[in-house]
Amino acid sequence: KAGVTQTPRYLIKTRGQQVTLSCSPISGHRSVSWYQQTPGQGLQFLFEYFSETQRNKGNFPGRFSGRQFSNSRSEMNVSTLELGDSALYLCASSSGTAYNEQFFGPGTRLTVL
Amino acid sequence: GIQVEQSPPDLILQEGANSTLRCNFSDSVNNLQWFHQNPWGQLINLFYIPSGTKQNGRLSATTVATERYSLLYISSSQTTDSGVYFCAVWEGGANNLFFGTGTRLTVIP
Repeated sequence: KAGVTQTPRYLIKTRGQQVTLSCSPISGHRSVSWYQQTPGQGLQFLFEYFSETQRNKGNFPGRFSGRQFSNSRSEMNVSTLELGDSALYLCASSSGTAYNEQFFGPGTRLTVL
Repeated sequence: GIQVEQSPPDLILQEGANSTLRCNFSDSVNNLQWFHQNPWGQLINLFYIPSGTKQNGRLSATTVATERYSLLYISSSQTTDSGVYFCAVWEGGANNLFFGTGTRLTVIP
């Protein structure tokens, strides 16, 4: 079974631009969660989507948004990029039932100049 | 929110040595996972362990949920074990993980 895939793997943007990251979950998984990893804040939860609906949201500004499609693929969008948005963005998939094991993709490393 | 603390923050071992990594959490949790983050950033699942003990090769983990801690044991360490080890827990009804700050392990030949 194929694992979680994320595209692109690396991205360089400038301040003020917007960016869209993509995540394809493990086949059969209906939940996709997004996390941000930075040296200062560590790994932090952004949001979770299940059956095309945002089910849970972390403490991030509205510039961070996401969506999920009917095939469970998910996209995350960050508008008006700031230098502090430079991070590794990881997505995780799970079956979606409570407390179920999560499996992570390789991440997208975003650099904002 | 729940606090997850890991110790030690850094660990340097000679190849072949054993080690114990600890994860403490501030409140009751519904489940716990251990991950190894490789140099490229990928989080590799090690254990999904709400309670009890599990073993996988040279690695084993024990979670004592009533006392709010989990331990990860690495025996006969190898250079490929180097990286950062994270524990992560679920809190309450949320379906997201709260991560600890990690233990950076360096195994030298």
